[in-house]
Amino acid sequence: EVQLVESGGGLVQPGRSLRLSCRGSGFTFGAYAVAWVRQAPGKGLDWVGFIRSKASGGAIEHAASVKGRFTISRDDSKSMAYLQMNSLKIEDTAVYYCTREIEGASGYWGQGTLVTVSS
Amino acid sequence: EIMLTQSPATLSLSPGERATLSCRASQSVSTYLAWYQQKPGQAPRLVMYDVTNRATGIPARFSGSGSGTDFTLTISSLEPEDFAVYYCQQRYYSGTFGQGTKVEIK
Repeated sequence: EVQLVESGGGLVQPGRSLRLSCRGSGFTFGAYAVAWVRQAPGKGLDWVGFIRSKASGGAIEHAASVKGRFTISRDDSKSMAYLQMNSLKIEDTAVYYCTREIEGASGYWGQGTLVTVSS
Repeated sequence: EIMLTQSPATLSLSPGERATLSCRASQSVSTYLAWYQQKPGQAPRLVMYDVTNRATGIPARFSGSGSGTDFTLTISSLEPEDFAVYYCQQRYYSGTFGQGTKVEIK
């Protein structure tokens, strides 16, 4: 069974950093692209970015709203993906989901981890 | 940035009725268009990818159509479990989502 489990969320002050982790199981982690999607409380879905598999070139893309502040990476030996978030803003408050791609779409989702940015 | 506009914002229908959800892109996204279903307190679930392909476990009453800038998700006969919020997403350039359409029970 494909599973994705996020961790690392919590309360953080504006301007500080946080790193989210995503552990995949039940599939060959390194063979698939991983995307991060967030959802602010009561709002819609917001694409954060993705990282391709190494076999597909390993390209990384970030949404314009987080470019320069957030960095996506992966460690296939550990079946892990990461979202490093720096210079956090109040508007970054959201549930952050890790997803595994199917044909360019987010076919599998984790349960999400809540990040609250507040002083 | 490619913008996606979904309409209507809310669709009030009864079980057994047909639901037609629209998603319009600000520029062509070819067929790189997916639909997701989200119920309260749950993570989203992939419904359709590449416009017309149903994800695993999605019943045949769901269908997708369109290309370029105009796309439609159709639920032929609503079941109680279909009432939810639906989002479209393009992956032609980056990965933007539409703002969602809530399908509610009338």
